[in-house]
Amino acid sequence: GAVVSQLPSWVICKSGTSVKIECRSLDFQATTMFWYRQFPKQSLMLMATSNEGSKATYEQGVEKDKFLINHASLTLSTLTVTSAHPEDSSFYICSAKSGANTGELFFGEGSRLTVL
Amino acid sequence: AQTVTQSQPEMSVQEAETVTLSCTYDTSESDYYLFWYKQPPSRQMILVIRQEAYKQQNATENRFSVNFQKAAKSFSLKISDSQLGDAAMYFCAYRTNFGNEKLTFGTGTRLTIIP
Repeated sequence: GAVVSQLPSWVICKSGTSVKIECRSLDFQATTMFWYRQFPKQSLMLMATSNEGSKATYEQGVEKDKFLINHASLTLSTLTVTSAHPEDSSFYICSAKSGANTGELFFGEGSRLTVL
Repeated sequence: AQTVTQSQPEMSVQEAETVTLSCTYDTSESDYYLFWYKQPPSRQMILVIRQEAYKQQNATENRFSVNFQKAAKSFSLKISDSQLGDAAMYFCAYRTNFGNEKLTFGTGTRLTIIP
């Protein structure tokens, strides 16, 4: 199956700093990528839909100025958590849709963010 | 909006036995996809099985099969001959076939395999 690489897999940062997480589709082009957030022992909650070459579409309640998404190429989407606070600590997962109409989304390995 | 409900927070099964995980969903659409994803301790989401709503035949993938009841909006996962490696969180997910193709996940079922 298609491979999605997500880096870093874990990151620790100080409160007030910004952190960037990358999501790359390695062997296919992804016009659409999705960013999810998962709290411990909870389900995945969609944060935003990232479309190549256009602005991301954010879900209700997600601050677009805090969670900056850039999808500058067909193989790369980035999520930047700006001015991070301890409550932003979470597991962030990206997924990408391949061109084939199989309905399947391919997931990255996830990034664990800890804000001190 | 679509919703996905998994009513079993935790399940356990003896190794080599069969277990069924439940999932119901709510939608007004007729064309959509349903998925079961597995999330082991590594947190990597792994697709277990996929069902297209317009197909009446239940999907099967080796030891994994589904019971898709479209009218009842039910989509259960059966794991046969359970193995220790099947221990994980299992998420049921819904995806429309129109417009935004985002996945809506259920709350998950933690499956424990008893040796």
